[in-house]
Amino acid sequence: EADIYQTPRYLVIGTGKKITLECSQTMGHDKMYWYQQDPGMELHLIHYSYGVNSTEKGDLSSESTVSRIRTEHFPLTLESARPSHTSQYLCASSDVAGANTGELFFGEGSRLTVL
Amino acid sequence: GNSVTQMEGPVTLSEEAFLTINCTYTATGYPSLFWYVQYPGEGLQLLLKATKADDKGSNKGFEATYRKETTSFHLEKGSVQVSDSAVYFCALKDASGYSTLTFGKGTMLLVSP
Repeated sequence: EADIYQTPRYLVIGTGKKITLECSQTMGHDKMYWYQQDPGMELHLIHYSYGVNSTEKGDLSSESTVSRIRTEHFPLTLESARPSHTSQYLCASSDVAGANTGELFFGEGSRLTVL
Repeated sequence: GNSVTQMEGPVTLSEEAFLTINCTYTATGYPSLFWYVQYPGEGLQLLLKATKADDKGSNKGFEATYRKETTSFHLEKGSVQVSDSAVYFCALKDASGYSTLTFGKGTMLLVSP
């Protein structure tokens, strides 16, 4: 079973609030990812990291930001939430071999609703 | 660029029916191919994979064969169970070490008793 954890699982928040979605993994994986999953289930890569102090934007432009100060931790922040940010956010990680072979481990997701 | 096309769902089946979910891809070179599954309320998990042409990935009764001539990786299961109800994602990873996974849009499977 994968050891990657996301909190909160569910969050309902008002417009304009700052939120941080937490993601931690205990597998020592260098590579971590954030995906946004829309209601139609499609996955969009919004951020990824190859290691500490490395962050890259993904295929879908996002107003969120990420940081990677520690290997195990990859939080995602929205400075000012809007209803358009309502979505499910999935965090994933892989080791170097997994990144090359495409084997990712996913957390259970954080479902964000912005009113 | 890389792309993955899956059949649209939902796919609705009765228990013990045969399942096929079609997946075709576009990629340069020789990508690795995957099926991920997302059970209700959970994240994705790797179901099976194939890394070269004619490879067959299999797990939990599911199978998929990497067909380079038809650029396909169709998912099959001979007899589905209610517990197989989930969303299934086809994905590819090209040979570049810096590329990330490209996912299809997902196909929901609903199995009734």
